[in-house]
Amino acid sequence: AQKITQTQPGMFVQEKEAVTLDCTYDTSDQSYGLFWYKQPSSGEMIFLIYQGSYDEQNATEGRYSLNFQKARKSANLVISASQLGDSAMYFCAMRVVGGFKTIFGAGTRLFVKA
Amino acid sequence: EAQVTQNPRYLITVTGKKLTVTCSQNMNHEYMSWYRQDPGLGLRQIYYSMNVEVTDKGDVPEGYKVSRKEKRNFPLILESPSPNQTSLYFCASSLYPNTGELFFGEGSRLTVL
Repeated sequence: AQKITQTQPGMFVQEKEAVTLDCTYDTSDQSYGLFWYKQPSSGEMIFLIYQGSYDEQNATEGRYSLNFQKARKSANLVISASQLGDSAMYFCAMRVVGGFKTIFGAGTRLFVKA
Repeated sequence: EAQVTQNPRYLITVTGKKLTVTCSQNMNHEYMSWYRQDPGLGLRQIYYSMNVEVTDKGDVPEGYKVSRKEKRNFPLILESPSPNQTSLYFCASSLYPNTGELFFGEGSRLTVL
């Protein structure tokens, strides 16, 4: 069975600094996708970044990058130059190709300090 | 504007009173799914649908029903709600079932007394 683990329930970061949110996953499938979503206090879910299991390059989207280490089964989100608006809950998720289910981690709440 | 619309956004009901949470998307997505979010558990998938008339169970389907009679609509039905179904519910859709990101509705907060 697939599983996503986010070991950091909460994290603090100083504004303008970089922060890494950890995500490890477990699957025996070879073809899958990894996603990160942001949930601000207003409650909506916002897609941030995607990494395919066969992608050789780490995904990047503006200030977000995904540090993908396939052998370690980790897919950490790196946010560079944190902003106050980055304070939110962040969820790591995985979908196995052909499986159609999406598995989410428990989330990490990030607090950005001024 | 491309969007997923859920209704109602907030609902307080009593045990056993049937309710339906509607979900509609205007992006012509084939894949739609329902999740519930509970503190400390993240989001858990209830049901998903690959296309019209094609639905399947997620990880927590007990106590829920769905239907997909039209491509754009994917309602979630609680035939006999119980207090343990008090939760925040999200509907989502995706263009590509395997690799596409999920587009979420704004969420429906349900309280069952």
